[in-house]
Amino acid sequence: NAGVTQTPKFQVLKTGQSMTLQCAQDMNHNSMYWYRQDPGMGLRLIYYSASEGTTDKGEVPNGYNVSRLNKREFSLRLESAAPSQTSVYFCASSQQLDPPEAFFGQGTRLTVV
Amino acid sequence: QKEVEQNSGPLSVPEGAIASLNCTYSDRGSQSFFWYRQYSGKSPELIMSIYSNGDKEDGRFTAQLNKASQYVSLLIRDSQPSDSATYLCAVSHSGGSYIPTFGRGTSLIVHP
Repeated sequence: NAGVTQTPKFQVLKTGQSMTLQCAQDMNHNSMYWYRQDPGMGLRLIYYSASEGTTDKGEVPNGYNVSRLNKREFSLRLESAAPSQTSVYFCASSQQLDPPEAFFGQGTRLTVV
Repeated sequence: QKEVEQNSGPLSVPEGAIASLNCTYSDRGSQSFFWYRQYSGKSPELIMSIYSNGDKEDGRFTAQLNKASQYVSLLIRDSQPSDSATYLCAVSHSGGSYIPTFGRGTSLIVHP
């Protein structure tokens, strides 16, 4: 099993460009998450999807949008990238919201110049 | 604001010793507690979860939870250089917002 797969692994964007980070899980999990990790800041939740068809804001949603395309896939979109969005992005999934025993993808390292 | 505090370290221990990692949390309604291991440049990996007071053992790892004192700890027995990583504590609150809050992690170095 691949678990949680993210694409791309690395990306460089210019300020103002848009892009979509893709995430897919093959564990038949109901809940999916997008986190960003910055040095000294820890993991911060951007958006999550408790189940197919639902999405909710996390701690730092500004500048992002998400789509839960189906049970397997949860994408994160940056509409107009800013240097402050330079970060490592992790997608994660869990069988259910409670308890949120999360399995993480390998991450996307995004640089906005 | 729910807070999860960890000493950033690094915590340095010799090979074969017991490494003790600590985490405190502010939300008394927290019900679920997790320890993740993150190697440099890699993604977090769930290694332990604990939901009730007391100890939970899994191989060389023991998680300890004390809800009255609002702390959770991770003990690693017979530490190996391969245990060198950052350990993230995560805490979630059942019955409402289940989404876990992560601490900033403790860096562990196990030297031969």
